Amino acid sequence: AQKITQTQPGMFVQEKEAVTLDCTYDTSDQSYGLFWYKQPSSGEMIFLIYQGSYDEQNATEGRYSLNFQKARKSANLVISASQLGDSAMYFCAMREGERAGSYQLTFGKGTKLSVIP
Amino acid sequence: DADVTQTPRNRITKTGKRIMLECSQTKGHDRMYWYRQDPGLGLRLIYYSFDVKDINKGEISDGYSVSRQAQAKFSLSLESAIPNQTALYFCATSRSSAYEQYFGPGTRLTVT
Repeated sequence: AQKITQTQPGMFVQEKEAVTLDCTYDTSDQSYGLFWYKQPSSGEMIFLIYQGSYDEQNATEGRYSLNFQKARKSANLVISASQLGDSAMYFCAMREGERAGSYQLTFGKGTKLSVIP
Repeated sequence: DADVTQTPRNRITKTGKRIMLECSQTKGHDRMYWYRQDPGLGLRLIYYSFDVKDINKGEISDGYSVSRQAQAKFSLSLESAIPNQTALYFCATSRSSAYEQYFGPGTRLTVT
């Protein structure tokens, strides 16, 4: 079974609108963390936001927020006020456990976001 | 200057050749990682190193080897390249006290 599932291969959003990118995860660990990375067409991977499984509040970083629903095992990324520069691939990733080696990340297959002027 | 650099940025090589991809970082992080990215498959971990003397296999280590020459340098080698190793390769780093990983710009490798 996939550990990280991103069900939206592609998404379109109007400039200045908000958009939600879906991510569901599968783990039996109590301690884990969810990440979102952005990959523009230039290819680099840019860290956006992190949510730990014990964090009580949803993580926010500027226009990015993570809608963490632990019981549903979902960690959706919300981008507010979309900009043309937000057009990119977005990857959800997870680390599991506190033991040595828990810093490995498992990535989803990504969602391609296109912002329409 | 970039905190995590990878050389070369692009490389075309022939089947059977040995090739080395290099990663250097100025972030002072002790942990380093190599990933490969294939279209439609996301990123997969090849090897990771928590310090110079601690190197571990990741999900897809077959056909690859690594060397951690110093805290700031981590190299990935393909001893005998094959076409299905054509991919985008990323180096990443992290602090031992934090979870976030920071990626280099990537190396696009083509094996013909």
